[in-house]
Amino acid sequence: DAGVTQSPTHLIKTRGQQVTLRCSPKSGHDTVSWYQQALGQGPQFIFQYYEEEERQRGNFPDRFSGHQFPNYSSELNVNALLLGDSALYLCASSFTGTTKTQYFGPGTRLLVL
Amino acid sequence: SQQGEEDPQALSIQEGENATMNCSYKTSINNLQWYRQNSGRGLVHLILIRSNEREKHSGRLRVTLDTSKKSSSLLITASRAADTASYFCATDDQGGSEKLVFGKGTKLTVNP
Repeated sequence: DAGVTQSPTHLIKTRGQQVTLRCSPKSGHDTVSWYQQALGQGPQFIFQYYEEEERQRGNFPDRFSGHQFPNYSSELNVNALLLGDSALYLCASSFTGTTKTQYFGPGTRLLVL
Repeated sequence: SQQGEEDPQALSIQEGENATMNCSYKTSINNLQWYRQNSGRGLVHLILIRSNEREKHSGRLRVTLDTSKKSSSLLITASRAADTASYFCATDDQGGSEKLVFGKGTKLTVNP
């Protein structure tokens, strides 16, 4: 049973560019959440998708957007990249209606130069 | 904003010793979870404790929850070098929000 997968593992972009990160949830899960983790900090919630809709959003600007596909996989898009967007981006999946345990993928490390 | 605050920020012990990490949070919760992170990679779920539970065990892990003090502790017994990692507590909230709010974590080093 495959766990949560993310691609790519590493990415280098320059300021002003746009980036798309991808996530496939654990088998049987229908909810995907995205988190940003800066160096030395805990993960910060970006948003959550369920039934192809953004269900909840954290304190992140509109430059951060997402999408969930019918197969429950998800994308995180960041426009107009800033140096401060450099971080580890983590995807987590869960099954709505259960104990809410979220299972995390290995993350995508984004470096903005 | 970060809800949970882990204490200590860093902990260094010898193999075989026990490690205790604490977490405090601010608002009422439904569940509290502990995660482990190795070298800045993905988080591994360790244990979930519900707000109506006071203690939970899983292998060498023991978690306690005191909702009156809004605090939790994670005890790792008979630690191993492989336990070296950062440990985070994460809370949801009673409002039904499914987002997790993490603290800054405790960096545990277990010396062989």
